[in-house]
Amino acid sequence: RKEVEQDPGPFNVPEGATVAFNCTYSNSASQSFFWYRQDCRKEPKLLMSVYSSGNEDGRFTAQLNRASQYISLLIRDSKLSDSATYLCVVPSDTGRRALTFGSGTRLQVQP
Amino acid sequence: DTAVSQTPKYLVTQMGNDKSIKCEQNLGHDTMYWYKQDSKKFLKIMFSYNNKELIINETVPNRFSPKSPDKAHLNLHINSLELGDSAVYFCASSQEGNTGKRNTIYFGEGSWLTVV
Repeated sequence: RKEVEQDPGPFNVPEGATVAFNCTYSNSASQSFFWYRQDCRKEPKLLMSVYSSGNEDGRFTAQLNRASQYISLLIRDSKLSDSATYLCVVPSDTGRRALTFGSGTRLQVQP
Repeated sequence: DTAVSQTPKYLVTQMGNDKSIKCEQNLGHDTMYWYKQDSKKFLKIMFSYNNKELIINETVPNRFSPKSPDKAHLNLHINSLELGDSAVYFCASSQEGNTGKRNTIYFGEGSWLTVV
């Protein structure tokens, strides 16, 4: 299994739809997970951390499944402004103090 | 207020040249990074400095040399540029050099390097 793996998409959804992305990771000892958002030709920005109990921030919900080693991001009531690439981020499994970024899942919300 | 600023934003240069990208953060963070994002959008860490001390040095060619004069600055110098060096280089910083949940990484806007 790759250190972190995401479906590149694109996910094309209409406004108002609910969409979910999954991300698998290889390091079973990982404790901290994150979702970052990257707009076209912009820098990545933290969207939300992922807690073991799951967490919700407005229309966004992040879940962690340790048994299957994946994290998910659910976006409800999609807005045009949600169009971006969503990067899954996990601790590196090489023992160094760093984070490994997934290649991202592209979301395109259409009117 | 720009938290992490890097210059230049765009750089087009010929193969074989030497170039530098400068980075400064005004967040008071202890840890700074250089990441490279290639054409396939993979964002990979190159270097990490904690309080001016190198703590991560990925397997990048030694043509790439980071310099941290103080904890608010981390510059990247590249010698003998090659076509494959074309990418977006992101400077970043975080409060601590660990992977804790509250350790948000703040990125600069990126420097778009094109080697011709």
